[in-house]
Amino acid sequence: DVKVTQSSRYLVKRTGEKVFLECVQDMDHENMFWYRQDPGLGLRLIYFSYDVKMKEKGDIPEGYSVSREKKERFSLILESASTNQTSMYLCASTDTDTQYFGPGTRLTVL
Amino acid sequence: AQKITQTQPGMFVQEKEAVTLDCTYDTSDQSYGLFWYKQPSSGEMIFLIYQGSYDEQNATEGRYSLNFQKARKSANLVISASQLGDSAMYFCAMREGWGAGKSTFGDGTTLTVKP
Repeated sequence: DVKVTQSSRYLVKRTGEKVFLECVQDMDHENMFWYRQDPGLGLRLIYFSYDVKMKEKGDIPEGYSVSREKKERFSLILESASTNQTSMYLCASTDTDTQYFGPGTRLTVL
Repeated sequence: AQKITQTQPGMFVQEKEAVTLDCTYDTSDQSYGLFWYKQPSSGEMIFLIYQGSYDEQNATEGRYSLNFQKARKSANLVISASQLGDSAMYFCAMREGWGAGKSTFGDGTTLTVKP
């Protein structure tokens, strides 16, 4: 079974803090993705990575950066968290046919 | 233009009955993949079923089947014999091109199964 894990299920941070969301997959997938999910807006792609040290912007990259130093780990970074980044963050890893999602991190920025 | 359209924000179905969740898509690619995911209230996204654009037969996985009508660009999910545990949000998604590329998701349909 593919497993995608995320470092936290729930996270509360203050405005201006630097926030790291970690995602790890155990199936040697090359492709990994970060989405955010908001009510009424579905899933929106923030960043994705096709290989170690490679990254590409998704549909809403503003205010975020990513890091992929190892194949199994894809980190999402909020350099200076803002209240409009309060959301559910979902990480996914994929083979040819299927995206496997982590359990999600519900981030609240106060 | 929205690439994945799910026109039903909410649906109700009686337990043990079948239900169809609608999904239409827009792409100019010849190669693409279509997916359905289930998201229970706990939040995790669970993969249900996949249909490739060149697959001639409709995909099936247990009680789930995908009604793929390529000319109409529709990929409806059919759940047979609904169970209370099927109550969840359901997302249709499309991956354009070959390989493990990024996917575009619809806004989702909330399904409620009534006892």
